Amino acid sequence: IAGITQAPTSQILAAGRRMTLRCTQDMRHNAMYWYRQDLGLGLRLIHYSNTAGTTGKGEVPDGYSVSRANTDDFPLTLASAVPSQTSVYFCASSPGTSDTDTQYFGPGTRLTVL
Amino acid sequence: GQNIDQPTEMTATEGAIVQINCTYQTSGFNGLFWYQQHAGEAPTFLSYNVLDGLEEKGRFSSFLSRSKGYSYLLLKELQMKDSASYLCAVRDSNYQLIWGAGTKLIIKP
Repeated sequence: IAGITQAPTSQILAAGRRMTLRCTQDMRHNAMYWYRQDLGLGLRLIHYSNTAGTTGKGEVPDGYSVSRANTDDFPLTLASAVPSQTSVYFCASSPGTSDTDTQYFGPGTRLTVL
Repeated sequence: GQNIDQPTEMTATEGAIVQINCTYQTSGFNGLFWYQQHAGEAPTFLSYNVLDGLEEKGRFSSFLSRSKGYSYLLLKELQMKDSASYLCAVRDSNYQLIWGAGTKLIIKP
C-alpha cells in the first residue's frame, strides 16, 4: 500500500509554462487537498475536494486549478507559472471531513519557477 | 482574521523535556492537531485534541484549553530523532485546517 504518491518529486519550470502536479491515493479517502509550504509560513490551502466530482477554493487559489474525476486522483494545474509559485506542494487526503478525520500527506513536489 | 502562533525555534538537550506552545484565534473550533515534519519530508500526524485536557501518547502529550485558545505539545525523554518541526493546526468552522508556521526543535547531545 503506497498511501499517497505525488509526481514529479521536483521540477524546474520556466515562467509562463503550464504544469500539472499529480497526486494519487489508494486509501479510498473521500477528501483531498492541495497545500503549498513556504519558508516562515504555515501550510496554505490552495484547493480541496470533499468528494469525487466536487472541488472548492482554499486560501490561495489564484493561478491554480484542480479536478477530481475519480476518488483516487487529484491533479493540480498551474496554467501559466510565475516565480511566486516557487514552493513545496503537498497533496493530502482524509477519510472524510468530520472533526476527527486526520489528513495524511504525500511526499511533496518541490517546484522552482524561473 | 485567523491566526495560529508558535515559537519559531526551540533548543533542548537529549533526554530532557520540552514544551512547545501554540495559541490560536480562529473562526470556530473543531479540533486541534499536532504534526511532526522532518526536514525535506511530509508532515505526519502526532495528536488530536477537541476537549479540554491532556492526551498522552507514549513520550508525547498534547494539552488543550479552548477557553484560552491555547495548546501545548510536551515531548519527554528527548531523542536526537525528535529534531524536526512541529506544526499546530486548528480545524475551523468550515472544517478546514488553519496551520501555524511550525516550531523547529533542535536537540543537542
